Amino acid sequence: DQQVKQNSPSLSVQEGRISILNCDYTNSMFDYFLWYKKYPAEGPTFLISISSIKDKNEDGRFTVFLNKSAKHLSLHIVPSQPGDSAVYFCAARDSGNTPLVFGKGTRLSVIA
Amino acid sequence: ETGVTQSPTHLIKTRGQQVTLRCSSQSGHNTVSWYQQALGQGPQFIFQYYREEENGRGNFPPRFSGLQFPNYSSELNVNALELDDSALYLCASSLQGSGYNEQFFGPGTRLTVL
Repeated sequence: DQQVKQNSPSLSVQEGRISILNCDYTNSMFDYFLWYKKYPAEGPTFLISISSIKDKNEDGRFTVFLNKSAKHLSLHIVPSQPGDSAVYFCAARDSGNTPLVFGKGTRLSVIA
Repeated sequence: ETGVTQSPTHLIKTRGQQVTLRCSSQSGHNTVSWYQQALGQGPQFIFQYYREEENGRGNFPPRFSGLQFPNYSSELNVNALELDDSALYLCASSLQGSGYNEQFFGPGTRLTVL
């Protein structure tokens, strides 16, 4: 039973356009959400996070939106760059230093 | 500041063998978590160590065991290897009690079981 779902295995976007990666969760106890980016042969790298008391967090080209009522979050990348091509994982956890629960990932390809 | 390192990078074992994977946590971090990432899946939590004790465990059998040392480095041991144990094993370090604590991942060890 997947508690964190990324329903799009892959996404292809033109350079300069917006990339939108989606994530749904089922566990209402989750209150902290993270996005990780993973290049081949490297470990996941933390990208951006959001706590459940917010509905938006922005960091440069990356913005994460959280809709608690829909149990949905999304990562927006604007503008997309070829170097953004990677696998993006959505992860969630409840309060404290508890284990992260990951989605299966979405492979983003940004085409020049 | 040294990041999370793991060794070895790649490993090939045969079914029934035992394997030990190693992880050095990021400087200043006292908590280590281990994850298994099978092909096409997201990382799945195996267990976490804090103050040299297991501090949470995912849905993995007892043949997956670990250790944490006083310098916060850690080992993952897997006994009686099965073909399904083939995966990327990721170690992540964090600071317990930091309020928010993104886990910093190492590059992983790719284990192949034949």
